[in-house]
Amino acid sequence: NAGVTQTPKFRILKIGQSMTLQCTQDMNHNYMYWYRQDPGMGLKLIYYSVGAGITDKGEVPNGYNVSRSTTEDFPLRLELAAPSQTSVYFCASRWSGQNSYEQYFGPGTRLTVT
Amino acid sequence: AQSVTQLGSHVSVSEGALVLLRCNYSSSVPPYLFWYVQYPNQGLQLLLKYTSAATLVKGINGFEAEFKKSETSFHLTKPSAHMSDAAEYFCAVSDRNAGNMLTFGGGTRLMVKP
Repeated sequence: NAGVTQTPKFRILKIGQSMTLQCTQDMNHNYMYWYRQDPGMGLKLIYYSVGAGITDKGEVPNGYNVSRSTTEDFPLRLELAAPSQTSVYFCASRWSGQNSYEQYFGPGTRLTVT
Repeated sequence: AQSVTQLGSHVSVSEGALVLLRCNYSSSVPPYLFWYVQYPNQGLQLLLKYTSAATLVKGINGFEAEFKKSETSFHLTKPSAHMSDAAEYFCAVSDRNAGNMLTFGGGTRLMVKP
């Protein structure tokens, strides 16, 4: 199993551009999450999904959109990129079975908006 | 709302010394608690988890943590630090009401001196 994979690893965007961060997991997990990590701030939840076709907002959803058309994929869309979106983005997934609460993380995408 | 506080954003120990990383949480329901480790330029890796079984939880790489309900704490310890333990450590609490999203502390950077 590859686990959770994210592309790209790095990206530089100009203000106002848009892009999609890709996330794929091959563990057949129902739950998927997007977090952003800012220095000294821990990780904050942007959006999450409990299954294909179902998404919900997390703590910091403004400026982002998501979709979940398949179990495997959970892309994160940035529209009109702003410098405040400079961050490291992590995708995670979790199995929905009982007694299985830990999330598995991808390697991250480092995004700079200038 | 749940929250996690990690006391000390930076902790420095000598190789062979005890490692103690502090985590306090607030939760309106019995929590699930986690410690994750992040090595430079990598994603988060689960160290250990508490899911209402034994209060003393053993994890990978010789780490363990004790859940103390009366103190709302989940401190991480390791008897003898290795140079390879240098990393950032995150404590997290799971919210069962929001797809088991994780709320993270701000992180503690552990430095190990030779």
